[in-house]
Amino acid sequence: SYVLTQPPSVSVAPGQTARITCGGNNIGSKSVHWYQQKPGQAPVLVVYDDSDRPSGIPERFSGSNSGNTATLTISRVEAGDEADYYCQVWDSSSDHYVFGTGTKVTVL
Amino acid sequence: EVQLVESGGGLIQPGGSLRLSCAASGFTVSSNYMSWVRQAPGKGLEWVSVIYSGGSTYYADSVKGRFTISRDNSKNTLYLQMNSLRAEDTAVYYCARGGGQQLFDYWGQGTLVTVSS
Repeated sequence: SYVLTQPPSVSVAPGQTARITCGGNNIGSKSVHWYQQKPGQAPVLVVYDDSDRPSGIPERFSGSNSGNTATLTISRVEAGDEADYYCQVWDSSSDHYVFGTGTKVTVL
Repeated sequence: EVQLVESGGGLIQPGGSLRLSCAASGFTVSSNYMSWVRQAPGKGLEWVSVIYSGGSTYYADSVKGRFTISRDNSKNTLYLQMNSLRAEDTAVYYCARGGGQQLFDYWGQGTLVTVSS
């Protein structure tokens, strides 16, 4: 089965840039989506199709995907960005949806 | 406005059965693909099952043969029938609407299922 690996945690100071990686075998050939989940809340889609943003999501959220790594970048980090972030792809070989292991972003 | 409201969670003994419901509004369930995603306490997201607009269904290996996803078009509602429940099925269960390139664009608030004696 397809596996997506994320760092457990990322710490960043306010105003700086946070980068969250998502590793998977040849992930660059897949569409990667990113979700933000705050404590006690449902996940929210923040980036889809590698680098597009749903309406209402700040431009500070961006994404890229190449080779074996996809990356979610949060620029000019704010206290409100503190949350868990998950990457997600669809594995066409099994028709299964796969989530990454999740990364907790802490704003110092 | 798209809304998803789950119900049916609760405390159930190991080996028992439970049916979760997800009432949708603002769109037609049968015209979209719909999924269940769960999250064990303090853990990450785990995809459980999907039903496509054509009726095809798929399951995670961890629930295959025990869980059944279905929908009632007249009620615009998604279901998850869960049988032979185990302690490891304890989680918040979310229903989610599928969109675009196999992503989930709207999520419900979740319903907690606790499997314990």
